[in-house]
This record gives sequence, structure tokens and C-alpha cells, in this order.
Amino acid sequence: NAGVTQTPKFQVLKTGQSMTLQCAQDMNHNSMYWYRQDPGMGLRLIYYSASEGTTDKGEVPNGYNVSRLNKREFSLRLESAAPSQTSVYFCASSTGTGEETQYFGPGTRLLVL
Amino acid sequence: GDSVTQMEGPVTLSEEAFLTINCTYTATGYPSLFWYVQYPGEGLQLLLKATKADDKGSNKGFEATYRKETTSFHLEKGSVQVSDSAVYFCALRANTGGFKTIFGAGTRLFVKA
Repeated sequence: NAGVTQTPKFQVLKTGQSMTLQCAQDMNHNSMYWYRQDPGMGLRLIYYSASEGTTDKGEVPNGYNVSRLNKREFSLRLESAAPSQTSVYFCASSTGTGEETQYFGPGTRLLVL
Repeated sequence: GDSVTQMEGPVTLSEEAFLTINCTYTATGYPSLFWYVQYPGEGLQLLLKATKADDKGSNKGFEATYRKETTSFHLEKGSVQVSDSAVYFCALRANTGGFKTIFGAGTRLFVKA
């Protein structure tokens, strides 16, 4: 039981390049989330998926898109990376059926030059 | 809107010292409250939680009591260890619609031997 896994662990991009961050969970959870973590700002929600087939914007969605590929996988895409998107990105999941605890992946550290 | 405020860090303590990390919140209704911990290089993991007023969450020697009258959920531990060095996040999840968890900015704790 691996929990929540994320790839890659670290990535360097040039401004304007695109990339997709992958996330998968093996806990049969309904809900999945993408956060970014910046110094002094805690975690901010980018997008979430309450259940398979649905996605919604969070607090800071601009510059990002998401895909809930199936119940296990939730990807985050940066179409044209900007230096302001330099951050650590965390994927999380929860059952979505009343149990509110979120389970986090190890994170992806992204540097945009 | 809903928000969480926690004391700024870093907090530096000697081993076996008493720890308090303050957390206050603003929310409509009756949110669930959480403390998450992030060890270096890892994702967040749940430390403890409380779902209604006067509940006490506890785990690994840490405790926090849900105080609705003061809108607080302070984290305490009687005797910290070097292994407790981490970043601690207070969070709330409103019980009125949505799947969003609001996180505080985090408090870094450093425990010296």
C-alpha cells in the first residue's frame, strides 16, 4: 500500500515550457486535491476533484489545468510555466464520504527559470 | 471567509521543554479542526483532529482542545524530543458545503538536544 505517489520529485523548467505533474492513490479515495506550498503562506488549494469525473477550481487556479483520469489518478498541467509557479506541489486524497482527513504525497519541487 | 491564524516561527526549544503552538480560526458554523505535521522532505501527515466543541484530539503525546468560545485549537506537548522537529500546520474544514480544507501558514519547531 503506497498511499499517495507523485512524479517527478524535482523538475526544472524554462519560462514558457509545459509539463504535467502526476499523482496516484491506491486507497480507493473519492476526492483528490492539488496544493502549492510557498514560504510563509501555508498550503493553497489549486484544484480539487470531489469524485471521479468532476473537477473544481480552488483558491489559485490561474495558469493550471487538471485531469481526473480515473479514480486513482489526478494530474496537474502547467501549459506555459512562469517563474511565479516556482513552488512545491502536493497532491492529496480523502475518502470524500464524511471522513475529512487528507493523505498527502511526498511533493514535487518545481523551479521555473 | 474562513481562515486560520497560527503563531509565527521558528520556535526553538530544548529537549524535554513544554511546547505550545497557538492557533485561532474564523469560520461559520462548526468546522472540524486539525493539526498536520510535515517532517523535512516529506508531505503533510495528520497529527490529531477534533470534530466538535470541547473535543480533545491527542496523538504521540501531543494534545489540542477545540475551544469554540475562544475559536482556538492550540497544540501542546509536555516534553518535546529532537525527533519532534518539523513544521506544524493548523487547519479547518468547514461543515457547510465544499471539500476545502483551509491551512494556516505553518510553524517551524526546532528542538535542540
